[in-house]
Parts: sequence; C-alpha cells; structure tokens
Amino acid sequence: QKEVEQDPGPLSVPEGAIVSLNCTYSNSAFQYFMWYRQYSRKGPELLMYTYSSGNKEDGRFTAQVDKSSKYISLFIRDSQPSDSATYLCAMRGTSYGKLTFGQGTILTVHP
Amino acid sequence: DAGVTQSPTHLIKTRGQQVTLRCSPISGHKSVSWYQQVLGQGPQFIFQYYEKEERGRGNFPDRFSARQFPNYSSELNVNALLLGDSALYLCASSSLLGQRELAASYEQYFGPGTRLTVT
Repeated sequence: QKEVEQDPGPLSVPEGAIVSLNCTYSNSAFQYFMWYRQYSRKGPELLMYTYSSGNKEDGRFTAQVDKSSKYISLFIRDSQPSDSATYLCAMRGTSYGKLTFGQGTILTVHP
Repeated sequence: DAGVTQSPTHLIKTRGQQVTLRCSPISGHKSVSWYQQVLGQGPQFIFQYYEKEERGRGNFPDRFSARQFPNYSSELNVNALLLGDSALYLCASSSLLGQRELAASYEQYFGPGTRLTVT
C-alpha cells in the first residue's frame, strides 16, 4: 500500500467550475501538507502549504487537512483554463527533507 | 532572483552507460534534494544533502549517488543505466534544515528537471 494515495483522474471541468482534489495517507507522522502544481514539462511549483489540521485559503485556492481521517483536499474556485495542470499533494514529518508525493491528478479546464 | 537551475535539460543515454546531472540551488539555500519522476507518477525521493553531507536517502539502488559542493550546487550520478531509469530528475532546494520554522518559505522549491531517456 502506498503511503499517499491520490486519485489520478484525469479531471475535465468547464471554466468557472469548483474543483475538488483529494489525497489520503497512512503515515501518522506526517505533519506538513503541501500542494504543488506542475505544468507539462516543468518542475512542480509550490501552491499551498498547511501545517497540521485545518483550512487555509489563498485567493481562489483552499487547502483542507483532516488528520483524524488522514485526508487532505484542495479546492479551486472559479477555475480558469490556466489552472490546467497536474496537481500533486505532498507531505512530510517534522524534519525537513523527504517529501512523499501522491501520483498527481491531471486537471483540464476547458473554456 | 534566479530559481533552481538544472542541466542538461534533456539527455539520451544507452543502457549500461553512466550519467551526471547538475543542480544549482536558489541563492542562499543550503539544502538540495533529488527526486525521480517517472511518467504518470509523483516524484520519488532519492537523496537530500545539507552542508555537503548526505542527510537522507530514499529506496534507490547503489547505482545512484550524489554529492554537494562548497557552493551548495549538487550532482546526481547514475551508473549502469537501465531502461527503467528513464524519467524526469528533479532537484529541489530549501533554505533551512530544521524543525522550528513553520513557514512555506522553508519548503522545497523545484527546478525544471532533466529529462533522461535510456535506450
């Protein structure tokens, strides 16, 4: 069983839709949770960062962490064609270093 | 500020050959990590280096090795290449190795990657 499971999609939505991306994990030691966005043939770009349980909002993006359920989510409101990319969840324990990633969800927002 | 840079961008090698990939971290960052991303998968951790010392190693064979230089740049070496080594190799840098800071600025920032094809 993988430490981090992410629905790979692909996910195709119309412009303006609300998008929900999710990951589940099995390692209770994970404390820091991140979402990266990766455009085709590019490196991952840090999008959202959350420590422990709770919600964090940044513009059209909201990250949620539920440690009791070992479940994290990323919501994108008013999705735009420029949001089309692969979204990767990542997490780590208390020491900096190894990030454990999900396999990524491919999102396409069509006009 | 320049981000993480990696060279070369693309590389084609033959099975059994050796390859060296290079990474320059963001100015001021002392930690460099290497990841392998196979097509359709998330990145897998290979190594982390901080202040020229190995601080973490993922589940990769001994054919993979790395080092960090005094200027904090890094090289990843892969010997005896296999077809399965074909992947995007990502370098990430971060400014701090520690547990006290709770800020996104201390997380890992990735370069564009080197795409390695083994034939």
